Amino acid sequence: EVQLVESGGGLVQPGRSLRLSCAASGFIFDDYGMHWVRQAPGKGLEWVSGISWNSGSIGYADSVKGRFTISRDNAKNSLYLQMHSLRAEDTALYYCAKNTMDILTGEFDYWGQGTLVTVSS
Amino acid sequence: DIQMTQSPSTLSASIGDRVTITCRASQSISNWLAWYQQKPGKAPNLLISKASTLESGVPSRFSGSGSGTEFTLTISSLQPDDFATYYCQQYNSLFTFGPGTKVDIK
Repeated sequence: EVQLVESGGGLVQPGRSLRLSCAASGFIFDDYGMHWVRQAPGKGLEWVSGISWNSGSIGYADSVKGRFTISRDNAKNSLYLQMHSLRAEDTALYYCAKNTMDILTGEFDYWGQGTLVTVSS
Repeated sequence: DIQMTQSPSTLSASIGDRVTITCRASQSISNWLAWYQQKPGKAPNLLISKASTLESGVPSRFSGSGSGTEFTLTISSLQPDDFATYYCQQYNSLFTFGPGTKVDIK
């Protein structure tokens, strides 16, 4: 059974940093691209960042480019999102999602339950 | 960047109704489009890939069509489990979600 378990969310002050993690199991992690998708309270889905199987291709939404860094550790079956210079508008539930393909395209066929990031003073 | 729009934003319907949701892309995305269903407090669930391919386990009352810039998701006979928010997503150039269509009870 595929499982994606996010962690690392919490309350953080504007301008500070936070690192999210996603622990994957139930599939061959290094066969697939992975993504972070966020959802602000009461709002829609926003793709944040994605990474190919071997970290060779990485993409970011314009809203986070230069502030967030995605990475993965295939030996640990883990995905990460390092977030710097956090803003109030980064407040959201952050989902980890598995791609259907190894490269940076395709649909997202499995999702975690999310970790909540609240940016507030 | 590719922008996605959906219409309507909210749809009120009754059990048994045929429901159609439209998704438009700001430029051609061929058939690189997916549809997701999201229920309150839950993660999204992939329904359709490549504009019209039904995912395993998804009821056959769901169908997708379209290519280029205009796409539709149709529920042929709305069931109680279908009241949810539906999102389209393009993956022709990175990834963009539509703003969502909430299907609620009439």
